[in-house]
Amino acid sequence: NAGVTQTPKFRVLKTGQSMTLLCAQDMNHEYMYWYRQDPGMGLRLIHYSVGEGTTAKGEVPDGYNVSRLKKQNFLLGLESAAPSQTSVYFCASSQGRGSEAFFGQGTRLTVV
Amino acid sequence: QQPVQSPQAVILREGEDAVINCSSSKALYSVHWYRQKHGEAPVFLMILLKGGEQKGHDKISASFNEKKQQSSLYLTASQLSYSGTYFCGTSNSGGYQKVTFGTGTKLQVIP
Repeated sequence: NAGVTQTPKFRVLKTGQSMTLLCAQDMNHEYMYWYRQDPGMGLRLIHYSVGEGTTAKGEVPDGYNVSRLKKQNFLLGLESAAPSQTSVYFCASSQGRGSEAFFGQGTRLTVV
Repeated sequence: QQPVQSPQAVILREGEDAVINCSSSKALYSVHWYRQKHGEAPVFLMILLKGGEQKGHDKISASFNEKKQQSSLYLTASQLSYSGTYFCGTSNSGGYQKVTFGTGTKLQVIP
């Protein structure tokens, strides 16, 4: 049972490049989330999804887009990367309200 | 809005106790506690739902005061393995479960 898997684990981008981060979960969870973690800022919610085909904005959605075409996958896209998007990105999933969230191992993204 | 955690950092000797507080300006449906070790993913500790219940997990317990919109995490007889950053996450009473995390409390347990 893999839980939550993020791909890739590390990436370096040049300013203006685009990329997609993939999150896959095998627990049949309804809810999925993308967070970014910066020193001193804690975990900040970028976007989330409450089911297949749905997405919603979190606290810091600007510069990111997401899609949830399949229940098990939640994709985070950066259309034109900026140095301010250098961060560690965590994906998480949970069954529903009041449920434990399971986190992936994170993606360390550097934009130069 | 992010919940506010205090203290920001604390150093303990093995066997000492600590309390980490989490407060919100909004009504809460649930409070979530996670611990993250350096370079790793956050790991679930416990969830408290509104109703003022208290939960325990080994020597780690937590309380939730719905009226005050606060939660506290209690670590008793701390062990070296308790070191890490503790995050509280909160979700409000309406709509879907959107969990917003605080900035974390860095806990270091020394021999």
